[in-house]
Amino acid sequence: GAGVSQSPSNKVTEKGKDVELRCDPISGHTALYWYRQRLGQGLEFLIYFQGNSAPDKSGLPSDRFSAERTGESVSTLTIQRTQQEDSAVYLCASSLRRNYSPLHFGNGTRLTVT
Amino acid sequence: RKEVEQDPGPFNVPEGATVAFNCTYSNSASQSFFWYRQDCRKEPKLLMSVYSSGNEDGRFTAQLNRASQYISLLIRDSKLSDSATYLCVVKRAGTYKYIFGTGTRLKVLA
Repeated sequence: GAGVSQSPSNKVTEKGKDVELRCDPISGHTALYWYRQRLGQGLEFLIYFQGNSAPDKSGLPSDRFSAERTGESVSTLTIQRTQQEDSAVYLCASSLRRNYSPLHFGNGTRLTVT
Repeated sequence: RKEVEQDPGPFNVPEGATVAFNCTYSNSASQSFFWYRQDCRKEPKLLMSVYSSGNEDGRFTAQLNRASQYISLLIRDSKLSDSATYLCVVKRAGTYKYIFGTGTRLKVLA
């Protein structure tokens, strides 16, 4: 079946511009996560969505970052006034809301801020 | 101390060798355990879940030791294509957070 889909695959933007990243989770997966991975570093949790519950935004690094999710489907991560330190791969993952369910990742969006 | 710890490596092994990685976790409430592999500049991909009784998938064997709070991954007959970073992932019971180790880098040499 279809996996997690992210778009765009690559995004180059100028410092100060806004960007919007999109994630389409696996159908039926109620849990959706965004992570950031800088070059050579580990995964950094950003935000978690579960159904219609309030999201856990505790990992968002600043108020320039925001994310939305429509029901149990598509999510968008928006970064306003991008900075060079925002350059990273942004990974989306989804899972079933069960204790033993693994995460399934999309291919990621590679963001470069020039 | 990090909640999930892994030896970063790199582990350099010849083709055909057997190699094992350990991952320790500090929270005894941890319930679900996974191994992922991540190739350079790619997303993490699920390699295998780790079950209490241990489990095997082809050349890969995963073990869980709850008493000592570690999980292990054994790779037999290493292939060049096994070269990657192996991530240990732990999830606590009743929570939604997956805790990632920083990964162990494996290089299989011809």
